Amino acid sequence: QSALTQPASVSGSPGQSITISCTGTSSDIGGYNRVSWHQQLPGKAPKRMIYDVTTRPSGVSNRFSGSKSGNTASLTISGLQADDEADYYCCSYAGSSTYVFGTGTKVTVL
Amino acid sequence: QVRLVESGGGVVQPGGSLRLSCAASGFTFISYGVHWVRQAPGKGLEWVAFIPHDGSGAHYADSVKGRFTISRDNSKNTLYLQMNSLRAEDTAVYYCAKADGGSGSPDHWGQGTLVTVSS
Repeated sequence: QSALTQPASVSGSPGQSITISCTGTSSDIGGYNRVSWHQQLPGKAPKRMIYDVTTRPSGVSNRFSGSKSGNTASLTISGLQADDEADYYCCSYAGSSTYVFGTGTKVTVL
Repeated sequence: QVRLVESGGGVVQPGGSLRLSCAASGFTFISYGVHWVRQAPGKGLEWVAFIPHDGSGAHYADSVKGRFTISRDNSKNTLYLQMNSLRAEDTAVYYCAKADGGSGSPDHWGQGTLVTVSS
């Protein structure tokens, strides 16, 4: 149950696109199409932004998109906005009804 | 709308016990699994435990296995986390989160309750 690996920080200017990677193993990300992404604004509870690798819940901006290749999942934020500044966490099913989160990525809007 | 409200946090000495509760509303509680997830101060999210909709079986992170017990009372729409043999490294905000009916991933989160293990 090792945490998934994410970059500690990613930054971009308003309007740009950024991509956050999330690397696991064949026992979690690579083995299932059950990756979700969660946004955590400062001092707030997390909010799910993507599930099942690519699906956006209703109400989440279409500027957020997800993908997966092998043991690595990615979250792309296009048209970066000031209120996207937050911590982002990936989460994957890891078999036997267990889950694992990523180490988290701080997104900074320059 | 979905609402999850945690309670029961506080300060406890190392080796002590604490029971957290999570009151659920706005959805059919008996139909969904529920997670506990924690976040140590200034750190990332850590999955702690999951219980299916009917309470049949529970699953834990290795870091809490044998010390924590997740349970639910579907008649009260309430989730619990019994924490025993607490350690300093268990200090964290504990969130309950409803599981998505399909993928099982957390889809709605409570606001969390802080547990501090300190002498």
